[in-house]
Amino acid sequence: LAKTTQPISMDSYEGQEVNITCSHNNIATNDYITWYQQFPSQGPRFIIQGYKTKVTNEVASLFIPADRKSSTLSLPRVSLSDTAVYYCLVGSTGTASKLTFGTGTRLQVTL
Amino acid sequence: DTAVSQTPKYLVTQMGNDKSIKCEQNLGHDTMYWYKQDSKKFLKIMFSYNNKELIINETVPNRFSPKSPDKAHLNLHINSLELGDSAVYFCASSQVGSGGGYTFGSGTRLTVV
Repeated sequence: LAKTTQPISMDSYEGQEVNITCSHNNIATNDYITWYQQFPSQGPRFIIQGYKTKVTNEVASLFIPADRKSSTLSLPRVSLSDTAVYYCLVGSTGTASKLTFGTGTRLQVTL
Repeated sequence: DTAVSQTPKYLVTQMGNDKSIKCEQNLGHDTMYWYKQDSKKFLKIMFSYNNKELIINETVPNRFSPKSPDKAHLNLHINSLELGDSAVYFCASSQVGSGGGYTFGSGTRLTVV
């Protein structure tokens, strides 16, 4: 399974755009890149998933370069409620897939 | 309706006891999982079931026994509880090949005293 590396923590002010980059040098051909958000005392929540180039939904954008060895989660205009831990995962969507969570990035948003 | 529901939310028990955690999903997903999140907040997969069949069984003591009566339910039974079993246990589900990611429950905080 591809191992991921992401910053331990990040700080941002409310209203700013936040970009969290994840490295996954050993990503396999059939691996997807998925980001989750976890608030204290809650289970992780799916944010976005992509394979290559750019994916955008109502919550975030995911940028994946051509070599797919890294990816960047972009959160536009964060608010205090975006304070959470963000996990980057890589893995296939097949039957035997087992998403392995890393340490995640703790994002702290302040006024 | 809650997509993935776990019961109980909190569980405090003494060492040596046997306890069960129940999980149900109403998303129609074909795969369910149990994850353990320890005090250092690492999330580790324990088991995965696809259509009631055990697919993934990580290095977990055999005191932990999952049971899937149907594809909407995955229960976790733990025998002879130990202090080190204290953690938050998350159930999750997914649909193979859907690309929609996993849907997690809200967790069961197990405290062994």
